Order: sequence, then C-alpha cells, then structure tokens
Amino acid sequence: GENVEQHPSTLSVQEGDSAVIKCTYSDSASNYFPWYKQELGKRPQLIIDIRSNVGEKKDQRIAVTLNKTAKHFSLHITETQPEDSAVYFCAAHVLHGSSNTGKLIFGQGTTLQVKP
Amino acid sequence: NAGVTQTPKFQVLKTGQSMTLQCAQDMNHNSMYWYRQDPGMGLRLIYYSASEGTTDKGEVPNGYNVSRLNKREFSLRLESAAPSQTSVYFCASSPRRTGGLGEQYFGPGTRLTVT
Repeated sequence: GENVEQHPSTLSVQEGDSAVIKCTYSDSASNYFPWYKQELGKRPQLIIDIRSNVGEKKDQRIAVTLNKTAKHFSLHITETQPEDSAVYFCAAHVLHGSSNTGKLIFGQGTTLQVKP
Repeated sequence: NAGVTQTPKFQVLKTGQSMTLQCAQDMNHNSMYWYRQDPGMGLRLIYYSASEGTTDKGEVPNGYNVSRLNKREFSLRLESAAPSQTSVYFCASSPRRTGGLGEQYFGPGTRLTVT
C-alpha cells in the first residue's frame, strides 16, 4: 500500500547549524510533496511544498529537494534558530482510484530541537 | 474567517460510549479530512470527503463513521469507543477536490481519552 518513511525521528542541532530531514515514498504516481511544521500543542501548518516537475524549491532558510527516480525528497533548514524547534512532517499526495480525488499520506514526523 | 473549527477541544469517554466530533470550515473548501495523531505515528487519515455528498476511507477507518452534512461541516462518529481510540483528532480542509494538491488547513484538534 501507499507508504511514506521519514528519517530521522529526532534531530538535535546547535543554533546556526543546518538540519536535513529525509523522506521516501512508495507510490510512483505521487506528484505533490508538502512539508508541515507542528509546534507543541498546536496544529500542523504548511511551510513549503514541491511538485514533481521541479527538483528543488527554496523559501528563505528552508528548501526542499525531490528525486523522483529514487522516490525520495528532503527538507533542508539552514542557519537554524530556536524557533525552528518543532515536529516536521513530510507527506506525499496519492490519487484515489478512478474518482480523481486525492489524499495525503504523512511520514511519522521528525522532532527537531535547536539548542541555543 | 475562523478557518477550520473543531468541537470539543477535550473529551474523556468510557469504553463503549459513543460521541461525535464536529468540524466546520468557512473557507468554501471542497475537500475535508479527519486524521488521528499518535506519538511516533504521524498523522493518519481516517476518512475524507472530496466534495459534499461523498466520503472515502483513509488508512485507519475501522471503528469510525463520518458524515459530510453540507459543504461546511464534516463530522466523525465513534459508535463504541475503545482505549485504542485515545488520540488527538485533527480535521482539515482543502480547496481542491483532488485533495492534497494544495495546502490543507488544519483545525485546532480534539484530545480524546478513552478509559
């Protein structure tokens, strides 16, 4: 079935260092890959996304790369700050059969801790 | 706009009790979703509705039912609660019928404990 694997489950970095979170997906037809950030006790919020016709996308200190051949994509955060501390989720869009509806399959999450 | 709202925020049930979680969105979105979040498991899709009048099963539908009451509202019902259903439940909506092709907007969540 459809599956998204996310690694690592926890990541601790010093403020100013870079952080990388990796995901692999199983459905080769997936064509949209968002990343969500969830602060403690709050709802998930979209921080960046990428579509399958693009290999890399940047937004200030965050970037996402996609390798469709290998079916993996990664989140890169540069110059990390304490406010980047949160749980990050990757996801892959999967179309549902012949009904042309879709859903997201989420990875298990990565808890990022940025130490001052 | 209030965005996506959920009620209640917290609930404690005894095993075997039933309850309905309510979700509403005021963004005129087509698609709505119910997820559960458990430690180390990420967000798992329970049910979703691509448009008013349609519902589909997600990854973990057993023990749940849903109703897309109208375009704004999508409720999740637990007919006979079990301790395994202790979780945080999130409702989400998306403007597109094809669901994930675009941002999903999440509600604040309902923390449910079944004893």
